[in-house]
Amino acid sequence: TQLLEQSPQFLSIQEGENLTVYCNSSSVFSSLQWYRQEPGEGPVLLVTVVTGGEVKKLKRLTFQFGDARKDSSLHITAAQPGDTGLYLCAVLTGNQFYFGTGTSLTVIP
Amino acid sequence: DAGVTQSPTHLIKTRGQHVTLRCSPISGHKSVSWYQQVLGQGPQFIFQYYEKEERGRGNFPDRFSARQFPNYSSELNVNALLLGDSALYLCASSAGQRIYYGYTFGSGTRLTVV
Repeated sequence: TQLLEQSPQFLSIQEGENLTVYCNSSSVFSSLQWYRQEPGEGPVLLVTVVTGGEVKKLKRLTFQFGDARKDSSLHITAAQPGDTGLYLCAVLTGNQFYFGTGTSLTVIP
Repeated sequence: DAGVTQSPTHLIKTRGQHVTLRCSPISGHKSVSWYQQVLGQGPQFIFQYYEKEERGRGNFPDRFSARQFPNYSSELNVNALLLGDSALYLCASSAGQRIYYGYTFGSGTRLTVV
């Protein structure tokens, strides 16, 4: 059983469209991170959310931490080809990160 | 400042062989973690070392081992390679163990076992 389930697993959209990626768990977390990973590279941190209900914006990306701190979402407005990549949510429990199952996003020009 | 550097970038090994992967953390970072990422999946935790001591171990067989040196660089060793060990091996460094220190990942070592 995965600690963090992400949906959808794959997403292919046209440039300019909006999209939302979800990260869900039955566990409560003190914080959650979102990463983007491009092929052949390591994950790069996008944001850390720590407060239930928190909303953070990073240019066209909007991140929300659920009120109960069990889930999170990532919304991308007007997607661009440069947004293509694997989006991973992750939580730090003890000394290790648990990563979600990942959402592979392809933005078609 | 140099980021997390991993070597080699790519490696091809035969089943049953041994492999050593290396990681140099960001200067000043004392924590190094290792992850295995199979194609299409999220990274899976293998080990964490902090101040040269093992602080965490994931659900991997004893064929996997690691160590951290006095300069905080680290090696991941895998013995008796299996086809299923083919993956991207990622190293992450941090100034400490808590999330607020921030973790930075290297670009990984792509291991192919044939």
